[in-house]
Amino acid sequence: AQSVAQPEDQVNVAEGNPLTVKCTYSVSGNPYLFWYVQYPNRGLQFLLKYITGDNLVKGSYGFEAEFNKSQTSFHLKKPSALVSDSALYFCAVREPGGSYIPTFGRGTSLIVHP
Amino acid sequence: GAVVSQHPSWVICKSGTSVKIECRSLDFQATTMFWYRQFPKQSLMLMATSNEGSKATYEQGVEKDKFLINHASLTLSTLTVTSAHPEDSSFYICSAIPGGFDSPLHFGNGTRLTVT
Repeated sequence: AQSVAQPEDQVNVAEGNPLTVKCTYSVSGNPYLFWYVQYPNRGLQFLLKYITGDNLVKGSYGFEAEFNKSQTSFHLKKPSALVSDSALYFCAVREPGGSYIPTFGRGTSLIVHP
Repeated sequence: GAVVSQHPSWVICKSGTSVKIECRSLDFQATTMFWYRQFPKQSLMLMATSNEGSKATYEQGVEKDKFLINHASLTLSTLTVTSAHPEDSSFYICSAIPGGFDSPLHFGNGTRLTVT
């Protein structure tokens, strides 16, 4: 069965510093991986995905994520954080041949301090 | 493209009344939509999968008689919270997939339900 872990409930970073939000996964086969962002009282917005190809995936708002098969990780990164990046971030995975319903991590609250 | 519209954004109702939440795919057809519930500062809980023209598939522990789902067309799914109680207060979010298996979910903006 597929699973996703986001080991940090909260990540704090100063504006202008690089940020990393961690995600590890467990699937049978090659994973389909997704990152979403949720602002307060809003639905989730898609940021980026990894299906195949280059391990470094670039997405919206300057975010990128690195797929690491050996470590079964898909960490979200941004070189320079903005206060406006403060939000809830979700990692999700689909297993090839499995359900269209992705498994979501529990979410990580990113707080960027001015 | 691939916009999912959810209405209303927020609703306050009295205990015992019913509330209907609409979810529309504006520029694509969605044979399947997903309804989630989210508690404060917590992850998403999948409630049910809405299937166009057939019965919804409910997740374990979700009361199908309390949370009525109807998917009457390829662009509209509705969730009705029947006989609402304060414990039903929550953030409800719908979503759909506009493409194939490698497509992300597209989410509505959610509905904040408060039952007094």
